[in-house]
Amino acid sequence: QKEVEQDPGPLSVPEGAIVSLNCTYSNSAFQYFMWYRQYSRKGPELLMYTYSSGNKEDGRFTAQVDKSSKYISLFIRDSQPSDSATYLCAMKAGGYNKLIFGAGTRLAVHP
Amino acid sequence: KAGVTQTPRYLIKTRGQQVTLSCSPISGHRSVSWYQQTPGQGLQFLFEYFSETQRNKGNFPGRFSGRQFSNSRSEMNVSTLELGDSALYLCASSLGGYTDEKLFFGSGTQLSVL
Repeated sequence: QKEVEQDPGPLSVPEGAIVSLNCTYSNSAFQYFMWYRQYSRKGPELLMYTYSSGNKEDGRFTAQVDKSSKYISLFIRDSQPSDSATYLCAMKAGGYNKLIFGAGTRLAVHP
Repeated sequence: KAGVTQTPRYLIKTRGQQVTLSCSPISGHRSVSWYQQTPGQGLQFLFEYFSETQRNKGNFPGRFSGRQFSNSRSEMNVSTLELGDSALYLCASSLGGYTDEKLFFGSGTQLSVL
C-alpha cells in the first residue's frame, strides 16, 4: 500500500464547475501538505502549502487538511480551461525536503 | 527572479552509458533536491543537497549520485544506464531551512535510454 493515495482520474468537468480533488495518506507523521499543478512537459508548480490541519484559501483555490481522517482536499471554484493539468498532492513529515507525492489526478476543463 | 533552470532539456542515451544532468537553483536558495518522475511510479525523491553536503537520500541504487557546488548549483549523475532509467528528472530548490520550506521545481530533463 502506498503512503499517499490519489485517484489518477481523468476527471472531466465543464467550464465554471467546482472541482474537488482528494488524497488520503497513512503516515500520521506528515505535517506539511502541498498541492502542485503540472502541465504537460513542465515541472510541478506549487499551488497551495498548508501546515497541519485547517483550511487555506487563495483566489479560486481552497486547500483543506483533516489530519484526524488523514485526508486532504483541493477545491477549484469557477474552473477554467486553463486549469486543465495534472494535480499532485504532496506531503512531508518535516525536516528537509523529502516530499511524498500522490500519483496525480488529470483534470480536463472543457468550454 | 529567474526560476530553477535545468539543462539539458532532453537527452537520449544507450544502455550502459552514463549521464550528467545540471541544475541551477533560484538565486538565494541553498537546498537542491532531485526527483524522478515516471508514468508507473510517479514522482520519487532521489536526494537532497545543502551546503555541498547530501543530507537526505531516497531508495535508489548507488548508480544514482549527485553533488552540489559552492554556488549551490547541482549535478546529478547516473552511471551504467538501464532502460528503466528513462524518466523525467526534476530538480527543485528551496531556501534551505529545516521545516517550513516551499519547494520550487524546474521544468526537468527528459532522459530516454535506448
